[in-house]
Amino acid sequence: RKEVEQDPGPFNVPEGATVAFNCTYSNSASQSFFWYRQDCRKEPKLLMSVYSSGNEDGRFTAQLNRASQYISLLIRDSKLSDSATYLCVISNTGNQFYFGTGTSLTVIP
Amino acid sequence: DAGVIQSPRHEVTEMGQEVTLRCKPISGHNSLFWYRQTMMRGLELLIYFNNNVPIDDSGMPEDRFSAKMPNASFSTLKIQPSEPRDSAVYFCATPTGTGYGYTFGSGTRLTVV
Repeated sequence: RKEVEQDPGPFNVPEGATVAFNCTYSNSASQSFFWYRQDCRKEPKLLMSVYSSGNEDGRFTAQLNRASQYISLLIRDSKLSDSATYLCVISNTGNQFYFGTGTSLTVIP
Repeated sequence: DAGVIQSPRHEVTEMGQEVTLRCKPISGHNSLFWYRQTMMRGLELLIYFNNNVPIDDSGMPEDRFSAKMPNASFSTLKIQPSEPRDSAVYFCATPTGTGYGYTFGSGTRLTVV
């Protein structure tokens, strides 16, 4: 079983829509959780960390559900510039990180 | 700090040739990771170093791949001989800090023809 599983999409949504991605993880001892954004032909960049109590950064909300072993990312009021691939990242112990394969989002005018 | 610096940005080579990818990590961080990304398999961890020592190389596809980190400011990933299936984007990354994930280099896009 993979450490991290993501729906690859693609998600095609109109501007202004709300879209949510989930990501499941297999190791209940996982300690750190992140969402990364990757633009076409660019490197992944940290979008936000995911905290146990959930956290928000502007239009973006990240949540962690330890009981069901998943994290989520909610984007409200989608903008054209949100079009990218979103990668979930899980860390168990130490510095080793496990990446999901990414969910592709296209925001349509 | 200039971040993680990789070179070359693009590499096109013929099958059978040796390829060397280079990475200069963020100074002051003692871990470095090499990843490979393809459409089919996503981001795969190849190897990671801690304090210049290889800790886990189980992701290295086969003996054709080797990596070194002779000092804290430089690492190489070598493929010899290269094959078309090695075509991918190769990233190196260093931890940004506890709880802050990784910082990636801009990657090397390798095409083996």
